[in-house]
Amino acid sequence: GEDVEQSLFLSVREGDSSVINCTYTDSSSTYLYWYKQEPGAGLQLLTYIFSNMDMKQDQRLTVLLNKKDKHLSLRIADTQTGDSAIYFCAEWGTGFQKLVFGTGTRLLVSP
Amino acid sequence: DTEVTQTPKHLVMGMTNKKSLKCEQHMGHRAMYWYKQKAKKPPELMFVYSYEKLSINESVPSRFSPECPNSSLLNLHLHALQPEDSALYLCASSQDFGLASQETQYFGPGTRLLVL
Repeated sequence: GEDVEQSLFLSVREGDSSVINCTYTDSSSTYLYWYKQEPGAGLQLLTYIFSNMDMKQDQRLTVLLNKKDKHLSLRIADTQTGDSAIYFCAEWGTGFQKLVFGTGTRLLVSP
Repeated sequence: DTEVTQTPKHLVMGMTNKKSLKCEQHMGHRAMYWYKQKAKKPPELMFVYSYEKLSINESVPSRFSPECPNSSLLNLHLHALQPEDSALYLCASSQDFGLASQETQYFGPGTRLLVL
């Protein structure tokens, strides 16, 4: 199937780290993405990881990939109020030839 | 520059109206996409154009009619829509389609459509 699962909601305090988790379905997925969507806006590409990598770091963002468990996570260090948004993971695989999105995680950062 | 632009930002239309949504990118991308997003849900793919030809139609009702006049432009023509078609319509583009390494999609800000 094409179900990509994420927890619905995460609340953190400003300055803490946030970890958003995603479980994907297709073992043939080659690229996995994280997008951010602020209220009323489009999707902003944050980062992506190729399936032969375990980790990718990009400034405050760290992506971890566990291929065995089909688990992807996004860690945001020093979370700021401007990070409050919905975060979608997405997978692209040769099996379905399109981008399949997770259900989205709403991150709320309080001062 | 990874910008995809969409017009209009907001659109209100009646069920008998005809309107069009526009999308533009100048990144030299050869694939362009339309998505529909309902509130609190992930985007759902509607159409994919690759090299100005329709590659994927995800069984979208014919009241939605896509058009790709050239490699930089993508339109979505709307006619006789229903209230349940109210949603955020997102356009995206990628360097290519069907090749994993070229599939990274960049999204526009969307058009928020309300059908009365």
